[in-house]
Amino acid sequence: DTAVSQTPKYLVTQMGNDKSIKCEQNLGHDTMYWYKQDSKKFLKIMFSYNNKELIINETVPNRFSPKSPDKAHLNLHINSLELGDSAVYFCASSHTGGRYEQYFGPGTRLTVT
Amino acid sequence: RKEVEQDPGPFNVPEGATVAFNCTYSNSASQSFFWYRQDCRKEPKLLMSVYSSGNEDGRFTAQLNRASQYISLLIRDSKLSDSATYLCVVNGGGSTLGRLYFGRGTQLTVWP
Repeated sequence: DTAVSQTPKYLVTQMGNDKSIKCEQNLGHDTMYWYKQDSKKFLKIMFSYNNKELIINETVPNRFSPKSPDKAHLNLHINSLELGDSAVYFCASSHTGGRYEQYFGPGTRLTVT
Repeated sequence: RKEVEQDPGPFNVPEGATVAFNCTYSNSASQSFFWYRQDCRKEPKLLMSVYSSGNEDGRFTAQLNRASQYISLLIRDSKLSDSATYLCVVNGGGSTLGRLYFGRGTQLTVWP
């Protein structure tokens, strides 16, 4: 009965590799998000999709590419990983309209060596 | 200027104490406000929404002052399990409606 799930939970990889993180929500929400939380704990939005359409695209290197096959899934692909990409990546989802309360997945802890 | 600013703490209080956090936000068009809680190495979780008239949920009371663009959270009778980072969160208004802005969080440690 998990609401927002992410895989994998941990990801350790070397510089230069390409990796993907998957996110799924079963809350019936139509908007999904990717956030990055760095070592200083600041939560920063990266992308947002509403019904498979990109609506927020922050200043993020184009090595990061989100993909939303349907409104219940939002994946994040990262090319040519760098040391500075090490962080925790959280997926979240919300309804459009109302108060826009967001619900978060458990996070993917990415370590680039 | 940051969208949401809050005192990072840390706040260290004994069990049973009352502790208050506050934050300010910059966008006067913001429409909805929240407090989230984040435990160490966990995801942020919605603690409570903040309504204009103020609202209470058990030991937690949230207040909003739109004129001063100020939000507060009061925790009464602190428990050990309240130890966490508390994030002040504001829904952007106008063209940024639907986008949440997070403060950097206030760290709380409740000791026995």
